[in-house]
Amino acid sequence: AQRVTQPEKLLSVFKGAPVELKCNYSYSGSPELFWYVQYSRQRLQLLLRHISRESIKGFTADLNKGETSFHLKKPFAQEEDSAMYYCALGAGFQKLVFGTGTRLLVSP
Amino acid sequence: DVKVTQSSRYLVKRTGEKVFLECVQDMDHENMFWYRQDPGLGLRLIYFSYDVKMKEKGDIPEGYSVSREKKERFSLILESASTNQTSMYLCASTSGLSSGNTIYFGEGSWLTVV
Repeated sequence: AQRVTQPEKLLSVFKGAPVELKCNYSYSGSPELFWYVQYSRQRLQLLLRHISRESIKGFTADLNKGETSFHLKKPFAQEEDSAMYYCALGAGFQKLVFGTGTRLLVSP
Repeated sequence: DVKVTQSSRYLVKRTGEKVFLECVQDMDHENMFWYRQDPGLGLRLIYFSYDVKMKEKGDIPEGYSVSREKKERFSLILESASTNQTSMYLCASTSGLSSGNTIYFGEGSWLTVV
């Protein structure tokens, strides 16, 4: 069965501190991993996907198949990064399995 | 710019009522989805559709049904609303089955069942 685990419900950091949002997955096939973000009063939107290997808004995520992880990282957090972050696993027919989400709070 | 529109943003319904949540997308996407979003539970897939008149159960289909009569419209139906269906409902769509395609979400429909 496909499963995504985000162990932290809340991550609180100060502005300028490094951020790592953890994501682990369980999937027997070849995984497609995504990070989605939901800012206050906005719709859920794609932040980045592992196949693109890109950096968006300073965030990066590397797929580690050995550890079945796809952690989201940013070296210096900004206040505007405060949001709800969801890790998601692509599981056929573009069906996405989501984690429970981590709320990131960046304080000044 | 892709747009996924959920016509009702906030609804309050009584227990036992039949509830319709409508979703329309304007990008000719084949695949459409209904999720519910609950604190601490994340997003859970209720139903999805990969073509007109086609539907597949997601992880939590009990108490729900769907309708896809036209490609652009995907409706979620609560046959007899119950208080445990109070939630945020998210519609989403995407084209094709390629991993390069982005899934686009609507703004959500807040449903309260009293």
